[in-house]
Amino acid sequence: EAGVTQFPSHSVIEKGQTVTLRCDPISGHDNLYWYRRVMGKEIKFLLHFVKESKQDESGMPNNRFLAERTGGTYSTLKVQPAELEDSGVYFCASSLNRGHEQYFGPGTRLTVT
Amino acid sequence: KQEVTQIPAALSVPEGENLVLNCSFTDSAIYNLQWFRQDPGKGLTSLLLIQSSQREQTSGRLNASLDKSSGRSTLYIAASQPGDSATYLCAVWGHQAYNTDKLIFGTGTRLQVFP
Repeated sequence: EAGVTQFPSHSVIEKGQTVTLRCDPISGHDNLYWYRRVMGKEIKFLLHFVKESKQDESGMPNNRFLAERTGGTYSTLKVQPAELEDSGVYFCASSLNRGHEQYFGPGTRLTVT
Repeated sequence: KQEVTQIPAALSVPEGENLVLNCSFTDSAIYNLQWFRQDPGKGLTSLLLIQSSQREQTSGRLNASLDKSSGRSTLYIAASQPGDSATYLCAVWGHQAYNTDKLIFGTGTRLQVFP
């Protein structure tokens, strides 16, 4: 069974540009989460989808971040326009049901210059 | 606001030692607690999930315990091996009453096991 996959693995963009990160959860997992680690700090929650609906988006830092999960399968996280402080590693996770183990992808390292 | 602390921040031990990694959290009303390992440049690998009604979980040489009343969890690694070298992260589910599955992470313990 394939795990959570993320694309790209690494992205370098200039301040003001747009970047879209993609996450493919484990097949059959209705729950999809986005997290990020910035500036060597702890990993922090961004949002949680149940199928195509946003269950909790309390961690989204501002309106420059837009997450979608059309059709309830893969998800995208768009940052527009990117700022320097957005640099970090963005992780995606999925789980079969609420309260079950969350399985993480390898992350996308975003560098904004 | 829930805060998760992991002690020690770093640990270097010879192969074969038994280890205890500590995780503490400020709000005891958690739902679940999950332990992960992260290898350099890689994603997080789930090690153990302790659900709200459980006190411990075991997987191979790993044993994790949870004491919600004192706000503590420990990860015990028996007979450590060089392959155990990684960063170990503790994460708690958000407050039970808030109907959220978001994980709140500690800063991790970086473990090095030398031959």
